[in-house]
Amino acid sequence: EAGVAQSPRYKIIEKRQSVAFWCNPISGHATLYWYQQILGQGPKLLIQFQNNGVVDDSQLPKDRFSAERLKGVDSTLKIQPAKLEDSAVYLCASSLRSGTLPNYGYTFGSGTRLTVV
Amino acid sequence: DAKTTQPTSMDCAEGRAANLPCNHSTISGNEYVYWYRQIHSQGPQYIIHGLKNNETNEMASLIITEDRKSSTLILPHATLRDTAVYYCIAGNMLTFGGGTRLMVKP
Repeated sequence: EAGVAQSPRYKIIEKRQSVAFWCNPISGHATLYWYQQILGQGPKLLIQFQNNGVVDDSQLPKDRFSAERLKGVDSTLKIQPAKLEDSAVYLCASSLRSGTLPNYGYTFGSGTRLTVV
Repeated sequence: DAKTTQPTSMDCAEGRAANLPCNHSTISGNEYVYWYRQIHSQGPQYIIHGLKNNETNEMASLIITEDRKSSTLILPHATLRDTAVYYCIAGNMLTFGGGTRLMVKP
């Protein structure tokens, strides 16, 4: 099966500019996640979607970050305006479903590396 | 998710077994132990999971202590391609800590 697709692979922007990342999950996967991974740290969950609804966005900085999954398939994560500390790799993951245990069927994309200068 | 403690880094000789420990003393009864690894410039990759019993698959073995407060991931014959950061997660929300950076050396 095709993996989780993310684009762009790399992005360099100046602070205060806007940026958007795109994710296409594995076909049939109802649950989609966005993670932020700062250099040297583990990934941190930003938001979780179940189909086109938000399940958990408690760690999403909502003053500047937004995400949508309008048709329950692909998703976009936006940052506006970007800050220097937003420099990180943004990872998208998908799974068939959430709420059932064990919850192990995550597949991650390769991520988008964002550099804010 | 329960807090996990892993060594920051480990070395292993190629062809030898790599044993990666993880402490998760606050794990609760229905929380699974999951292991993922992340090779440079890639997203994390699922390795194995377990609840109480030891588990083995084509990638690795997972040994969970009887009290479930710790576990060990075993790569039986490490290769250079196993060089990666290995994350132990104790819980069902996939909360990543800092992981162990495993370096497999020739």
